[in-house]
Amino acid sequence: AQKITQTQPGMFVQEKEAVTLDCTYDTSDPSYGLFWYKQPSSGEMIFLIYQGSYDQQNATEGRYSLNFQKARKSANLVISASQLGDSAMYFCAMRGQPGFQKLVFGTGTRLLVSP
Amino acid sequence: DVKVTQSSRYLVKRTGEKVFLECVQDMDHENMFWYRQDPGLGLRLIYFSYDVKMKEKGDIPEGYSVSREKKERFSLILESASTNQTSMYLCASTGGDSTYSPLHFGNGTRLTVT
Repeated sequence: AQKITQTQPGMFVQEKEAVTLDCTYDTSDPSYGLFWYKQPSSGEMIFLIYQGSYDQQNATEGRYSLNFQKARKSANLVISASQLGDSAMYFCAMRGQPGFQKLVFGTGTRLLVSP
Repeated sequence: DVKVTQSSRYLVKRTGEKVFLECVQDMDHENMFWYRQDPGLGLRLIYFSYDVKMKEKGDIPEGYSVSREKKERFSLILESASTNQTSMYLCASTGGDSTYSPLHFGNGTRLTVT
């Protein structure tokens, strides 16, 4: 069974600074995928970034990057140059072996960006 | 863009009522999901379906059932609503069978059971 742990219920950052949101995972599957989603106050879940377990390089998407440390089973999200619009809930999720398409989610981290 | 549409944004129901939450996707996705979101608990999977008329229990199926008569539609049913089912319900879909297939979510239905 897969498990995702997000230990930071809330994080604060000033505008234009970088912030790291922590995520650790547990799985016995050799092949898996890790995801980050953003949920603004409006409620929609926005897919941000994906990292595959066999990917050699850390994933990046614009201001988002995923610090993937396989041996430590961590997949931290780094947001560079924070903006006020980054204030939201952030969820880490994973999927195990191909063919089992459900995602397992963590409990989320609420990020507040201040001016 | 994939569109997942949940029929209601807000619902208020009484204890004991039968409640239907509807979800439709327009991308011919095989897989559809119902999650429940509660503060401090994240998203928990209630049921999912990988094909028409197929369903699998998720982590918290008690008190819920589902129906998938057509590929594009996945319904969540609360047979007899209870106050502990007050929550945000999120429907999602995805296609393919690789580890990379992000879920596409609807905007959620906030259900209050009084």
